[in-house]
Formats: sequence, structure tokens, C-alpha cells
Amino acid sequence: DAGVIQSPRHEVTEMGQEVTLRCKPISGHDYLFWYRQTMMRGLELLIYFNNNVPIDDSGMPEDRFSAKMPNASFSTLKIQPSEPRDSAVYFCASSFLSGAGGGEQFFGPGTRLTVL
Amino acid sequence: EDQVTQSPEALRLQEGESSSLNCSYTVSGLRGLFWYRQDPGKGPEFLFTLYSAGEEKEKERLKATLTKKESFLHITAPKPEDSATYLCAVQAATSYDKVIFGPGTSLSVIP
Repeated sequence: DAGVIQSPRHEVTEMGQEVTLRCKPISGHDYLFWYRQTMMRGLELLIYFNNNVPIDDSGMPEDRFSAKMPNASFSTLKIQPSEPRDSAVYFCASSFLSGAGGGEQFFGPGTRLTVL
Repeated sequence: EDQVTQSPEALRLQEGESSSLNCSYTVSGLRGLFWYRQDPGKGPEFLFTLYSAGEEKEKERLKATLTKKESFLHITAPKPEDSATYLCAVQAATSYDKVIFGPGTSLSVIP
């Protein structure tokens, strides 16, 4: 398997523009997680899905952020409108185990987002 | 509130100089504690899961141990390729499948 795939790898946009980040999880994995990583706040969980259903979105910072998982092989994280403070590396991760086994997550390479 | 802290923030070692990284946690019932390694420009890579106090896991030069309040990642005779950021994460019994990550320890091993 190719692992978790994320696109784009880098995104530079201007404040106010819509940004869409994409993720393809590992085939057979039931869980999908979206994280944001910054120097100040570290790695933060934004939202996670189980069997394509959002389970916990309490980490989504504002209504400007939304995430969807229309099928088992694709998820998107959208920011509209984007702001400079959204600049970060966004990671997608997937896992196939629940409970404590769910801590064994497989991360994608990340999308580095810069909002000017 | 569930919380994870790590120390030191950064650590510089000479090649072959063994040391330990600390992860302290406060959770309402620990379901699992996890160690990850993250190389610059890459996503975290899973290393270990520990479930209960007294448990130990080993992988090459790394050994992870767990007590009721903290975990240690022992690095024996490190090599330059062990340089990375090491992240600790916990899952609380009440938080289903949610994992909380600590801030990480940046390890540099000098030849």
C-alpha cells in the first residue's frame, strides 16, 4: 500500500481565499483523523471519522473549518475564508483499530499551508 | 482536563551517550500511551503502545517504560540517525478513540 496520501503538499494562498486539503487513507482503515501542527500549539486533533461518520469535531477551531468524508477512500478539510493564523502543517492519519489500538495511527506526509 | 507534557524540550547527545526522555500525563483513566518519532518535513511514525504500569517495549536502541504517572523513552548508545522529534500521546478511557499528543522532545545525536 502507498500509505496515507495527502494533496497538495504545499499550498500558498491569500487571506480570504478558500482552501481544500485532500486525504486518501490506507485501504481497509476505518478511522481517519485530521491534525494541525504548529510550533506554538504542537499537534492538535481537529476532527476524526469512523466508518465515514464524524465522531468528534470539538477540535475544529471555528465555523470556517469543515471536513467531509464522502466515502471510505477520500476526505477533505476545507477552510473558508482562510486567515494568516491558519498557517500550519495539516496532517491526515488513519488507523484500523479501535480503543487503545487506535493509537497506532499512520500519518500522511502533511500539507504545509501558508496564508498571506 | 487530560494533559501530556514532555521533557526536556530539546536534547543534544554525543553518539553513544545514552539518555532518557520523559512523558508525564494526567488522564481520567489511561487506555493507552503511545510513542511516535517525527523526522523533519514528515508525518509522525508510530513506535510503541504501552497499556499498563510496569509494561516495557523495545525496538533496536529504544526502550519505552510506563508508570502510573509517566513514561520514559530510553535511548541506548544512540546514533546520528536517531535524531528526530519524539512525541508521546495518550488515550483516556473516556475519550473513545481520541489521542492527545504532547509537545515533543527534539533529539539531536552528534557524531
